[in-house]
Amino acid sequence: GAGVSQTPSNKVTEKGKYVELRCDPISGHTALYWYRQSLGQGPEFLIYFQGTGAADDSGLPNDRFFAVRPEGSVSTLKIQRTERGDSAVYLCASSSRPGPYEQYFGPGTRLTVT
Amino acid sequence: GEDVEQSLFLSVREGDSSVINCTYTDSSSTYLYWYKQEPGAGLQLLTYIFSNMDMKQDQRLTVLLNKKDKHLSLRIADTQTGDSAIYFCAERTLGGGADGLTFGKGTHLIIQP
Repeated sequence: GAGVSQTPSNKVTEKGKYVELRCDPISGHTALYWYRQSLGQGPEFLIYFQGTGAADDSGLPNDRFFAVRPEGSVSTLKIQRTERGDSAVYLCASSSRPGPYEQYFGPGTRLTVT
Repeated sequence: GEDVEQSLFLSVREGDSSVINCTYTDSSSTYLYWYKQEPGAGLQLLTYIFSNMDMKQDQRLTVLLNKKDKHLSLRIADTQTGDSAIYFCAERTLGGGADGLTFGKGTHLIIQP
């Protein structure tokens, strides 16, 4: 695709519910990153995929958060038993190769937990 | 641990130069980045610099790196209204740490007519 796309753009859910956020990286990009941006803060790293495997999940805040990338392209970030503190913009980025190369960011999914 | 600090706001007059400053704590930082975020838009990479460089210039943008003081700055010459945005400093350390970027909280650049 032309750029990184994320769906939905907005998601409102009730506390305790389960949500899935989707990221479509740029075609051919092998590296995929998830970040979370809370209001007034910079993006915070969550997890990094190289191909199908999670190469680094050190940023996931707790075991309610999980992400997959089964075919090495599309990724889904899954949040169980959502809490109000999970409200944030979830950003996805992709890169053509691992390492310090440019990460192209998607527009984000704004998650609101009521 | 890694920490990136920026001032929250900068106000400049249109046509003047803007200088946005950033400090970082990780002495092994290898790559340092400046990203721009406009309202409702995704993060856009403006420029980056390797830690073995002191300066990088790209059209109206000049990045200066002082490794000794762990200080990074972004200068925007002839600031225009379209430069109004939030500017994020980010760093990345290779090896032994998270593979993602560590961002500052962002500097809101406000352009006065």
